[in-house]
Amino acid sequence: GQNIDQPTEMTATEGAIVQINCTYQTSGFNGLFWYQQHAGEAPTFLSYNVLDGLEEKGRFSSFLSRSKGYSYLLLKELQMKDSASYLCAVRGPSGGSYIPTFGRGTSLIVHP
Amino acid sequence: DTEVTQTPKHLVMGMTNKKSLKCEQHMGHRAMYWYKQKAKKPPELMFVYSYEKLSINESVPSRFSPECPNSSLLNLHLHALQPEDSALYLCASSQDPGTGHEQYFGPGTRLTVT
Repeated sequence: GQNIDQPTEMTATEGAIVQINCTYQTSGFNGLFWYQQHAGEAPTFLSYNVLDGLEEKGRFSSFLSRSKGYSYLLLKELQMKDSASYLCAVRGPSGGSYIPTFGRGTSLIVHP
Repeated sequence: DTEVTQTPKHLVMGMTNKKSLKCEQHMGHRAMYWYKQKAKKPPELMFVYSYEKLSINESVPSRFSPECPNSSLLNLHLHALQPEDSALYLCASSQDPGTGHEQYFGPGTRLTVT
C-alpha cells in the first residue's frame, strides 16, 4: 500500500509564493499527481510527475524526487481564488492496476 | 468534451430506500471510478471499472452495488444505507487505469441518509 503525508493546513498572503510538500512511501511507484479541490467541488487536475525534476505550468510548478519519496507543489503570485485543498495522489500497484491513492490534502488559506 | 457529469447533485434518502447515482463521460475513457469523500477528508476509492469490467472493489459493503452498462455510463445502486454513508460521492474517469493519465472528476452527488 501507500503512505502519504502532507501538512494539514497552510496560510499565505496574496501575491506571495507557497510550497506544499508531500512525502510518500509506496511498494511500487508509478507517478504522482497534484489536484486542487475547492470546498464542495470536485478535484481538478494540476500536475503529474513520474520522473525526477520540476514540471512548470504557469503559476504552478511541481517537483519530484523518487529517491527521497518527496514532491512539492509551488504556487506563485498567489490569488485569493487559490484558497482550496491541495491533494497529493500517488500511483502504486493495486490488484494488477496502478490506481492513485490520495493524501489527506493540505488546506491553503490565502489572505489579503 | 472533457466533462464528467453526475446526477443527481443532491439526494436525501431513508435507510429503507433504494436509489441510484449516475455518471456519464464521453471522452472515450476506458477506466471509471467511484469515490466516497467525507468532509475535510480525501476521496476514498470504492470501485474501479476497467474496460467495462469491475477490476477493483475496495471491500465496499454490499449495500453499494456498482454497474457499468456501457463504456460511457457508470451507476452506483444504493440499498439499505446507514446514516454514516452520508458523504459526497465522486465519479471519475481516466483514459486507462494502467497508464499515467490523470483522472477527470464529476461534480459529485451529495448524499444524505436519514
